[in-house]
Amino acid sequence: AQSVTQLDSHVSVSEGTPVLLRCNYSSSYSPSLFWYVQHPNKGLQLLLKYTSAATLVKGINGFEAEFKKSETSFHLTKPSAHMSDAAEYFCVVRTLGGAQKLVFGQGTRLTINP
Amino acid sequence: NAGVTQTPKFRILKIGQSMTLQCTQDMNHNYMYWYRQDPGMGLKLIYYSVGAGITDKGEVPNGYNVSRSTTEDFPLRLELAAPSQTSVYFCASSYSGSTGGNEKLFFGSGTQLSVL
Repeated sequence: AQSVTQLDSHVSVSEGTPVLLRCNYSSSYSPSLFWYVQHPNKGLQLLLKYTSAATLVKGINGFEAEFKKSETSFHLTKPSAHMSDAAEYFCVVRTLGGAQKLVFGQGTRLTINP
Repeated sequence: NAGVTQTPKFRILKIGQSMTLQCTQDMNHNYMYWYRQDPGMGLKLIYYSVGAGITDKGEVPNGYNVSRSTTEDFPLRLELAAPSQTSVYFCASSYSGSTGGNEKLFFGSGTQLSVL
């Protein structure tokens, strides 16, 4: 079965410094992986997706993620954090077979310090 | 387009009461989903539908029921509310194109439900 594990429940960085949110996946096949963001009291929004094309994926708002098969990782990064990046971030894997569904990680809360 | 609309935004239920969470989308999406979000637990799939008249269980379906009589609407029913159903509920929809790429979900703004 496909699953994802987000390694940090909470990450805190200063504005203008790099952001790293870590995600490891488990899949017996080449997975489809995604990052979603949830701002306070809002629904979730797709940041980016990996579907076996380029291993470095660029998303919205300056975020990107790199698929590393050897490390079974799909970490989310941003070179310079902005106050508006404060949110909950979810790593997601799409299941295989039948009606494909999304399986969410536990989430990482990103706090940006001024 | 309004996107995915959920009602109500907040609700408090007593144990044993029933209620229906409404969800409608105006994007002509064939896939619709109900998730619940508990603190530190991510989102768990309750039920999903791949089209009108077709529904199936997700990871945590117990205590819930759904129906999909139209493409637009996907209500979630709680028959006998229990404290364990206190959560934030999200409805979502997506379009499954020819490549099966239904991964971009459009979410509603959520319903905060408390069962006391």
